[in-house]
Amino acid sequence: GDSVTQMEGPVTLSEEACLTINCTYTATGYPSLFWYVQYPGEGLQLLLKATKADDKGSNKGFEATYRKETTSFHLEKGSVQVSDSAVYFCALSERGNKLVFGAGTILRVKS
Amino acid sequence: GAVVSQHPSWVICKSGTSVKIECRSLDFQATTMFWYRQFPKQSLMLMATSNEGSKATYEQGVEKDKFLINHASLTLSTLTVTSAHPEDSSFYICSVTGVGWNEQFFGPGTRLTVL
Repeated sequence: GDSVTQMEGPVTLSEEACLTINCTYTATGYPSLFWYVQYPGEGLQLLLKATKADDKGSNKGFEATYRKETTSFHLEKGSVQVSDSAVYFCALSERGNKLVFGAGTILRVKS
Repeated sequence: GAVVSQHPSWVICKSGTSVKIECRSLDFQATTMFWYRQFPKQSLMLMATSNEGSKATYEQGVEKDKFLINHASLTLSTLTVTSAHPEDSSFYICSVTGVGWNEQFFGPGTRLTVL
């Protein structure tokens, strides 16, 4: 079945450091790919998405490119802020809008 | 995107009682609603998918008689945890989507603690 694997955390960075959170997926077809963010005590918010190969999703300085050849959708940001501290989930949706989530990666940004 | 609310945001109940959690789509006709469960420091696990006016489809391993789901309208779905036990303590999150959307919109979640 479909699955999503993302790097284990927690990831601890200093403010203004570069961020990369790896995400790879397994799917039988051509899924849509998503990154969701969950701030402490809150529900999930869609951060960005890509619906086909080579698409780049971007939002709030975060980017991720849908790489079909490597089945990856790595999340990147050039300069993180303390306010980016949260849990980040990679996910895919292939049929019927059913989402399959990765395990989540905790990001901690120190000032 | 859609605005989704959940009520209550947190609830504490005694073992053996039933708890109802509401999920409302405030500005969106949600033809499909999903219920997830999230354990501490873990990912979201899909429990069931419900389409308006139809019976919910439960994921493998989820007891349909314990987690009753009703999707009576395009704006409301309810999850009732029947005869709750401490192992049912968790964070329950709903999401909604509609015809032609390939995106889900999530509610803020409900934290259930069973004593």
